[in-house]
Amino acid sequence: QVPLQESGPGLVKPSQTLSLTCSVSGGSISSGSYYWSWIRQPAGKGLEWIGRIYPNGNINYNPSLESRVTISVDTSKNQFSLTLRSVTAADTAVYYCARGGGYYSSWGQGTLVTVSS
Amino acid sequence: EIVMTQSPATLSVSPGERATLSCRASQSVNSNLAWYQQKPGQAPRVLIYGASTRASGLPARFSGSGSGTEYTLTISSLQSEDFAVYYCQQYNNWPRTFGQGTKVEIK
Repeated sequence: QVPLQESGPGLVKPSQTLSLTCSVSGGSISSGSYYWSWIRQPAGKGLEWIGRIYPNGNINYNPSLESRVTISVDTSKNQFSLTLRSVTAADTAVYYCARGGGYYSSWGQGTLVTVSS
Repeated sequence: EIVMTQSPATLSVSPGERATLSCRASQSVNSNLAWYQQKPGQAPRVLIYGASTRASGLPARFSGSGSGTEYTLTISSLQSEDFAVYYCQQYNNWPRTFGQGTKVEIK
């Protein structure tokens, strides 16, 4: 298990931008052949894959969110980030960062983001 | 998008009994299929990947099988710590998709 930790605001106003960061410890984010991913889960519901990034910059997004989402990586800080623009109440969820591009072998504890005015 | 359908939605099982969870994909996922366990307030944890490979440290009572569009997670003798929600996930196609989950509850 590689420790991952999400951080960011827990409350975002509608139409604004959600920004989260995932800090990776226990090794360099750019070592190994790992992708780094974001996944979310609305309360009481299932899991939705948001996107993934490789340290060389290769990125894939869920088409359902692609127009609003950006994932980036900062290898100097051993972090990767999620930005989701123009949020609505439907974006309220627990957001997880995870290691993996296919299946996900390590997960952060998750952070609840509520979209509300 | 590949739709993953899990059944049943809820499975009531007594401790020590066998549990069989099913996952069906809307098209073949070529065994690029993972199973996760999620307990309340916790992140999911991977149990099985490649349809049948157990994650490191996973007890042998958990097994995965299947191919093409049909997959099964079997828990041979349920322990108290196994009562949780289980999700399947395909990673053969974009976007990655999860099933809606099967809740395994105490009978």
